[in-house]
Amino acid sequence: SQTIHQWPATLVQPVGSPLSLECTVEGTSNPNLYWYRQAAGRGLQLLFYSVGIGQISSEVPQNLSASRPQDRQFILSSKKLLLSDSGFYLCAWSTGPKRNIQYFGAGTRLSVL
Amino acid sequence: KQEVTQIPAALSVPEGENLVLNCSFTDSAIYNLQWFRQDPGKGLTSLLLIQSSQREQTSGRLNASLDKSSGRSTLYIAASQPGDSATYLCAVLGTALIFGKGTTLSVSS
Repeated sequence: SQTIHQWPATLVQPVGSPLSLECTVEGTSNPNLYWYRQAAGRGLQLLFYSVGIGQISSEVPQNLSASRPQDRQFILSSKKLLLSDSGFYLCAWSTGPKRNIQYFGAGTRLSVL
Repeated sequence: KQEVTQIPAALSVPEGENLVLNCSFTDSAIYNLQWFRQDPGKGLTSLLLIQSSQREQTSGRLNASLDKSSGRSTLYIAASQPGDSATYLCAVLGTALIFGKGTTLSVSS
């Protein structure tokens, strides 16, 4: 069966520090991978999606970047965190065409202080 | 640009009540619509997925309907229980998966 792992579950970082959140998927090949963010009082927002290794599409301009060094690994990064980067980050995967159902990880709660 | 709206933003009901959560979207060109449940500080649990060609889906006490032409979906929860307390999110898949802000449900015993 397929599983998705996200870590860490919670993270507290100072402003200006770097960030690296990792997401891995098991039990499937060539998944579409997604990073979402849920800021306080706001809905979920798609940040990045990837249809293959090294292929990243950004949905909104921001302080963050994403990379996909391996087929089932998706990394969300920042060189210098801002206060506004605080939120709940969710990784998701799907297979086949984008209209297939997406499966979500448990999420990472990031607090930038 | 697709926009998804969920009404009400919050709802409190006593145990045993039947309730309806509403979701509306502005662009009817969608592949599917999903309802999710989110418990505080946790990830999403997919509840129901309705393909664009379908009118409704049922799972246990949950029933979701879709009227694509009017841009509306409802999630019906029968005989609510305290364990149903959570935030319910609606999301539509077009060129991207767009979420509403959710309805926070509280069921008291």
